[in-house]
Amino acid sequence: GAGVSQSPSNKVTEKGKDVELRCDPISGHTALYWYRQSLGQGLEFLIYFQGNSAPDKSGLPSDRFSAERTGGSVSTLTIQRTQQEDSAVYLCASSPRTGGNSYNEQFFGPGTRLTVL
Amino acid sequence: GQSLEQPSEVTAVEGAIVQINCTYQTSGFYGLSWYQQHDGGAPTFLSYNALDGLEETGRFSSFLSRSDSYGYLLLQELQMKDSASYFCAVASSGGSYIPTFGRGTSLIVHP
Repeated sequence: GAGVSQSPSNKVTEKGKDVELRCDPISGHTALYWYRQSLGQGLEFLIYFQGNSAPDKSGLPSDRFSAERTGGSVSTLTIQRTQQEDSAVYLCASSPRTGGNSYNEQFFGPGTRLTVL
Repeated sequence: GQSLEQPSEVTAVEGAIVQINCTYQTSGFYGLSWYQQHDGGAPTFLSYNALDGLEETGRFSSFLSRSDSYGYLLLQELQMKDSASYFCAVASSGGSYIPTFGRGTSLIVHP
């Protein structure tokens, strides 16, 4: 596709359920980032992939959060036993650059709005 | 760690010029980026400065002073569609090059 896509666009779930959020980056982009954005707030970094490996998972808020990337392309963010404080918009971004320059220009997907009841 | 400061809100009128400032603290500075985000939309990349000086792209310009740990985004000939949130972001070279985003500046353009 022409841009980064994410699915689902909206997800409403009950507290305690597991959710999976998907990100399809722009073809050929090696760097992929997950962020979380609460209403009216900035972007909170969650995890970064370079290819299929995740050099930095420091932003994951708890062990209920995990992510994987396969084939250097699609990435899935999984939240287990969701809590109400997990409610936010989850954004994925990809970049064509590698290494230290990969953050400079990121292309963002439309996000998944997660609501935990 | 890294931290960024930017004003929470700026208002201006159509046709005016507005400057959104960003000050940062980081170890191993690697560059300053700016993103625009409309309500309900995804952030879109605007500009990037690695070296001191002014970068101009159409109506938008971005400036960086590494010695002052300071940058700004300049928007000229403001249009109503420029009403959005603007985020500065900086990454350090001390490890994983993970960007830290500011909390964003809400720009409100009045007719």
